[in-house]
Amino acid sequence: EDQVTQSPEALRLQEGESSSLNCSYTVSGLRGLFWYRQDPGKGPEFLFTLYSAGEEKEKERLKATLTKKESFLHITAPKPEDSATYLCAVQAWTGYQKVTFGIGTKLQVIP
Amino acid sequence: GAVVSQHPSWVICKSGTSVKIECRSLDFQATTMFWYRQFPKQSLMLMATSNEGSKATYEQGVEKDKFLINHASLTLSTLTVTSAHPEDSSFYICSARGGLGEAFFGQGTRLTVV
Repeated sequence: EDQVTQSPEALRLQEGESSSLNCSYTVSGLRGLFWYRQDPGKGPEFLFTLYSAGEEKEKERLKATLTKKESFLHITAPKPEDSATYLCAVQAWTGYQKVTFGIGTKLQVIP
Repeated sequence: GAVVSQHPSWVICKSGTSVKIECRSLDFQATTMFWYRQFPKQSLMLMATSNEGSKATYEQGVEKDKFLINHASLTLSTLTVTSAHPEDSSFYICSARGGLGEAFFGQGTRLTVV
């Protein structure tokens, strides 16, 4: 069974204090690994897709990287508006390509 | 990115009544849509996969007679919670798959059954 484990569950940063979120996964044939941002009471907002080990993608202060076992979401000089829950998900090639989500990391950036 | 619109964003209903939630892909055609349920401080749990023109595929433990899914067109899927009870109160989210496999999500629907 596909599994996604995110750590830490919660992270509190000072504005400008860079850090990384971890997503460890096991999947029977990775089709893609996705990162989403979710604000309270809203649906997840798509950030990145990573397909193969060594791949990196960037968007503003966020950078996602991928290895064969885990992915990192690096946040550089975060701002309070980056506060949200960040979800990691994996999609397998098997079956109907089910997407499995982690529980998320709740990030709080303090001014 | 692609836009998925979900309606309503919140609904309150009486126990025993039915509630319909709509999910539309606004700028692309989605042959497959997904319905999730999310409890507080928990991850998104896939309830069912909705395929245009055919029956939905339900995850283990999800009652297909209680959660009716219809995917009548390439841009619209609906979830009807039948005979709702307080334990059905939750945050329901739909998603549609983009061309590269990524899922785009609707805004979610907060259902409260009283």
